[in-house]
Amino acid sequence: DTAVSQTPKYLVTQMGNDKSIKCEQNLGHDTMYWYKQDSKKFLKIMFSYNNKELIINETVPNRFSPKSPDKAHLNLHINSLELGDSAVYFCASSPGLAGGNEQFFGPGTRLTVL
Amino acid sequence: AQTVTQSQPEMSVQEAETVTLSCTYDTSESDYYLFWYKQPPSRQMILVIRQEAYKQQNATENRFSVNFQKAAKSFSLKISDSQLGDAAMYFCAYRSGGGADGLTFGKGTHLIIQP
Repeated sequence: DTAVSQTPKYLVTQMGNDKSIKCEQNLGHDTMYWYKQDSKKFLKIMFSYNNKELIINETVPNRFSPKSPDKAHLNLHINSLELGDSAVYFCASSPGLAGGNEQFFGPGTRLTVL
Repeated sequence: AQTVTQSQPEMSVQEAETVTLSCTYDTSESDYYLFWYKQPPSRQMILVIRQEAYKQQNATENRFSVNFQKAAKSFSLKISDSQLGDAAMYFCAYRSGGGADGLTFGKGTHLIIQP
């Protein structure tokens, strides 16, 4: 059984389009995250949600809007896509906000903006 | 803000040998956690090992162990008896004890295993 799943795994789109990436976890975790991995493999936190409430919003352009309809889902909507948005986006979850909790990562979504 | 530095962009080791990956970090906090994550070509992020800052004893997981030097803010990963399946990107990561700020990653070390 997949613990953290993301759809789609690959997304190719034109500049200016709007797209969404979905994330679901079946671990019963309270906390979910979005990370961005750029072309040089650098990973950076974008958002975190705890019990459907936004906890972290790390200097991400407001074209990126996360939505958490329930604790098991955290979707990422991106408006007016730009070339620089091309990256791999990872969703993750953990039992709670405590620093020592392991974060379980999804398989990633490779977004390519042409 | 916390920073994590991995000074080795790439390392190469012969199969069955031992390799050590370096990581240093900068923080003014006393309560924090350190992690090593592995990312194979499949791009799945896999937790290798975790260290609590309040624990003096170095964490060990089978062939993987860390050398945690709190005063020096150093957290290196030792892989013993390297196997072909260990080939991957390895990321060192930091997280505050409160956890509200997510994981802060280093830039990664690409580990190559020579058969």
